[in-house]
Amino acid sequence: KNEVEQSPQNLTAQEGEFITINCSYSVGISALHWLQQHPGGGIVSLFMLSSGKKKHGRLIATINIQEKHSSLHITASHPRDSAVYICAVGRWSNYQLIWGAGTKLIIKP
Amino acid sequence: NAGVTQTPKFQVLKTGQSMTLQCAQDMNHNSMYWYRQDPGMGLRLIYYSASEGTTDKGEVPNGYNVSRLNKREFSLRLESAAPSQTSVYFCASSLTGLGETQYFGPGTRLLVL
Repeated sequence: KNEVEQSPQNLTAQEGEFITINCSYSVGISALHWLQQHPGGGIVSLFMLSSGKKKHGRLIATINIQEKHSSLHITASHPRDSAVYICAVGRWSNYQLIWGAGTKLIIKP
Repeated sequence: NAGVTQTPKFQVLKTGQSMTLQCAQDMNHNSMYWYRQDPGMGLRLIYYSASEGTTDKGEVPNGYNVSRLNKREFSLRLESAAPSQTSVYFCASSLTGLGETQYFGPGTRLLVL
């Protein structure tokens, strides 16, 4: 079993829909990261969180430390949100992040 | 600030050839990383450097060597390229490396024939 699991693997939705991507992990963490990889290949960090909730524009990330679960939400989705969304976790005293496999999101106009 | 830069952007090699991928960051970060990403797959760590003067193996180090030339630069060398090394290579950096946000370069697409 992978230490970081994302669901769904693939998600296709219509423009305007509310999107939820989930990430579950099985190790103790110092922080959880959400990143976005656009079709062109560039990787951008969206959020780093260790508790509660963060919001940036139409993106919201939440984490429940007790349940070892995080969600990334996109409100009023738009075709430009089409990308691969990646979850990764960091651990105390460890330089390596543990990476999820990614969720490929396609938003149709 | 350029952030993290990588050269070259694209390279074609023949089996057995060698090459060095260059990475530099201008954010005064201590930690730097090399990843590979195969089509449809997630990121896999090749090597990392927690700080200037140190390097450590990641998940898939075989066939690669690295050099942390100074605080800014971290290079990845393929001594004898193999078709299995066809991939997109990403360099990343972070301030201290301990679970922190990593900033990625634009990637190098490598094709080994």
